[in-house]
Amino acid sequence: KAGVTQTPRYLIKTRGQQVTLSCSPISGHRSVSWYQQTPGQGLQFLFEYFSETQRNKGNFPGRFSGRQFSNSRSEMNVSTLELGDSALYLCASSTLRGELFFGEGSRLTVL
Amino acid sequence: EDKVVQSPLSLVVHEGDTVTLNCSYEVTNFRSLLWYKQEKKAPTFLFMLTSSGIEKKSGRLSSILDKKELSSILNITATQTGDSAIYLCAVDPSNTGKLIFGQGTTLQVKP
Repeated sequence: KAGVTQTPRYLIKTRGQQVTLSCSPISGHRSVSWYQQTPGQGLQFLFEYFSETQRNKGNFPGRFSGRQFSNSRSEMNVSTLELGDSALYLCASSTLRGELFFGEGSRLTVL
Repeated sequence: EDKVVQSPLSLVVHEGDTVTLNCSYEVTNFRSLLWYKQEKKAPTFLFMLTSSGIEKKSGRLSSILDKKELSSILNITATQTGDSAIYLCAVDPSNTGKLIFGQGTTLQVKP
């Protein structure tokens, strides 16, 4: 069974630009959640989607947004990038029991 | 505010040693507690513990949930250099993909 797939794996942007990250969950998983990981703050929850509906949202500014498609694939978008947005962005899909499985992540560097 | 605290923050042992990692939590709602292992990539799922499943074991790794003490331990016996990683503990309050993570314990196993 294929795992969670995230693209792109690495990207470099400059301040003010926007970025879109993509996540394909494990087949059959309908819940997709996104996390930001930084050395200082650790893993922080961004948002979660289930059947195309956002069920939960973390404490991030409105520049961070996401969506989920009917095939459960998800995207997250960050607009007007700031230096502090440099991080590893992790996507996870989960079973109905709540076991989350993470993808390899997208490492974003903002210059 | 919900929080998860892990101890110790870092640990150095020699191959063959047994280690115990601690995780305590203060959350408004508790549904499950999860353990992950993170090397230089995405967190890998280890265990999920719930009120109906307070003890889990897989090979040299085992974990116990103490709901009275609001804590969990992760034991690793006969450690190997391949066990070197960051071990993350997370609490799921609502099964909506929003995990609250601890800071992690960095384990280094020396040959």
